[in-house]
Amino acid sequence: GNSVTQMEGPVTLSEEAFLTINCTYTATGYPSLFWYVQYPGEGLQLLLKATKADDKGSNKGFEATYRKETTSFHLEKGSVQVSDSAVYFCALSGLDGGFKTIFGAGTRLFVKA
Amino acid sequence: NAGVTQTPKFQVLKTGQSMTLQCAQDMNHNSMYWYRQDPGMGLRLIYYSASEGTTDKGEVPNGYNVSRLNKREFSLRLESAAPSQTSVYFCASSSSGALLRNTEAFFGQGTRLTVV
Repeated sequence: GNSVTQMEGPVTLSEEAFLTINCTYTATGYPSLFWYVQYPGEGLQLLLKATKADDKGSNKGFEATYRKETTSFHLEKGSVQVSDSAVYFCALSGLDGGFKTIFGAGTRLFVKA
Repeated sequence: NAGVTQTPKFQVLKTGQSMTLQCAQDMNHNSMYWYRQDPGMGLRLIYYSASEGTTDKGEVPNGYNVSRLNKREFSLRLESAAPSQTSVYFCASSSSGALLRNTEAFFGQGTRLTVV
């Protein structure tokens, strides 16, 4: 079946460090890929997305590239800030008529000043 | 523009009690969803409504029922609450459909439910 696997957290970094959160997927078909972010006490909100192979999604200094050959969509940021502390979810959709989004388990990021 | 509004934000139930979680969106979206979020398991789809008048089971529908009251509103009902239903519940909506592959989901702020 379709699924998303993320690296386990928590991930703890110092401010200005480089961030990578790994995400791989299994899908029958060609999904769209997303990263959502959840700040404490809030719902999820879209961070970035990519809809086809080799597309790069970017927002707020975060980037992720849709790699069909490795079925991956790793999230990166060159210099994290304390305000980036949150839970990050990798997700896919666009399969099964586009009505379902499948989420990974989430990766909690702590950034220390 | 409120987006997706869920009520209540917090609820404590006793085992066997029933309750309805309310959700409304003001973005004219066709599709609405209910997810539950549990530690280490991400978000799991309970039920969804692709369009007004239709509902379908998701990954974990047992113990729940839903009603798509109109295009704006999608409620989730627990008929006889169990401790295993302790979770954070999120409602979401999107304009996705068979021809729309890249639309995002918009989420409410969640309902934290505890069943004792």
